[in-house]
Amino acid sequence: DAGVIQSPRHEVTEMGQEVTLRCKPISGHNSLFWYRQTMMRGLELLIYFNNNVPIDDSGMPEDRFSAKMPNASFSTLKIQPSEPRDSAVYFCASSSNRGHDEQYFGPGTRLTVT
Amino acid sequence: TQLLEQSPQFLSIQEGENLTVYCNSSSVFSSLQWYRQEPGEGPVLLVTVVTGGEVKKLKRLTFQFGDARKDSSLHITAAQPGDTGLYLCAGEGNNDMRFGAGTRLTVKP
Repeated sequence: DAGVIQSPRHEVTEMGQEVTLRCKPISGHNSLFWYRQTMMRGLELLIYFNNNVPIDDSGMPEDRFSAKMPNASFSTLKIQPSEPRDSAVYFCASSSNRGHDEQYFGPGTRLTVT
Repeated sequence: TQLLEQSPQFLSIQEGENLTVYCNSSSVFSSLQWYRQEPGEGPVLLVTVVTGGEVKKLKRLTFQFGDARKDSSLHITAAQPGDTGLYLCAGEGNNDMRFGAGTRLTVKP
């Protein structure tokens, strides 16, 4: 099993630009989670999907952030426009259960907004 | 919001020493998980505890869930440099899951 795949691994962009992060969950998993990790705030849940439907997006910081899951094998997290305070490592995780247990994390995307 | 406090925040020890890290909350969790994260990688699940008072062992790691399901501890016996990493606890409850800030452990050879 290839595990959760994220791309790109690193992204450097200028303030105001649109950023799209991509995730391919483990095949057969029906829950997908997007997290953001910073030194100051730790690991924060942004949004999670179950069977491609957003269940809880209360962690999405503001309207500049949006996430989609068009099918069971692909999800995107988009930031438009990006700001320097969005700089962080963004993780995608998937789980075979509707709940939050036993999540498998991807390697993350390190985003730097200058 | 269920807050999880982890202590200590940083811990640096010599190889062979024992250590315990803690995860505390005022909220009750239906389950609690421990993850280890190494630099440049995502967190990796170590264990899930569900029952109050439960103790699970994973080689040199011992995990305990508090009787009231509000807190947990992780004890490492004879730590090795390979145990170095960020240890995160995560509690599930009220249909969400929250992570603690983590304990950053360094084991020196």
